[in-house]
Amino acid sequence: GAVVSQHPSWVICKSGTSVKIECRSLDFQATTMFWYRQFPKQSLMLMATSNEGSKATYEQGVEKDKFLINHASLTLSTLTVTSAHPEDSSFYICSARQIAGGADTQYFGPGTRLTVL
Amino acid sequence: RKEVEQDPGPFNVPEGATVAFNCTYSNSASQSFFWYRQDCRKEPKLLMSVYSSGNEDGRFTAQLNRASQYISLLIRDSKLSDSATYLCVVNLGDDKIIFGKGTRLHILP
Repeated sequence: GAVVSQHPSWVICKSGTSVKIECRSLDFQATTMFWYRQFPKQSLMLMATSNEGSKATYEQGVEKDKFLINHASLTLSTLTVTSAHPEDSSFYICSARQIAGGADTQYFGPGTRLTVL
Repeated sequence: RKEVEQDPGPFNVPEGATVAFNCTYSNSASQSFFWYRQDCRKEPKLLMSVYSSGNEDGRFTAQLNRASQYISLLIRDSKLSDSATYLCVVNLGDDKIIFGKGTRLHILP
């Protein structure tokens, strides 16, 4: 299957700082990428849909000014958690959508574990 | 009715047994369907797509019933390594992809 990477894989930061997470599709171009977060023992929650060259579409309840998404190329989307607070501590996972050979499939990055002190 | 619904489990199944999960979806215009598995503290990984005619991959069989709006996953001869959360995923088109909350499976030795 296709490969999606995320960087960093984990980060610990102080409250009030901003954290940037990168999501890259390594062997395919992804017009659309998705950002999720997952709290312990809970299901994936879609935060936003990121389309290359246009503004991201945020899910209800997700603050666009707090979670800045940039999808500047067909292989890279970034999520910046601005002024992070302890309640933002979570597992952030991106996925990239691959449309090829008549199939439309999402592939996930390995996730970024954010801990805000 | 929720867009995608799964029994959260857990399903506790002895090794070697056969286990089946169902997932129902509410939007009849749903275009494509998938099963993912997610191990604890890891990202979801694509297990298999689900085709209208049904499809099999080794011990795993997926089926789609559009009339009743459900998909199923059957695991035969279950292994300890099959223990995971299985996520049902429905693609509604137009970048709208819905994940079920997952079904937890524990294979018991």
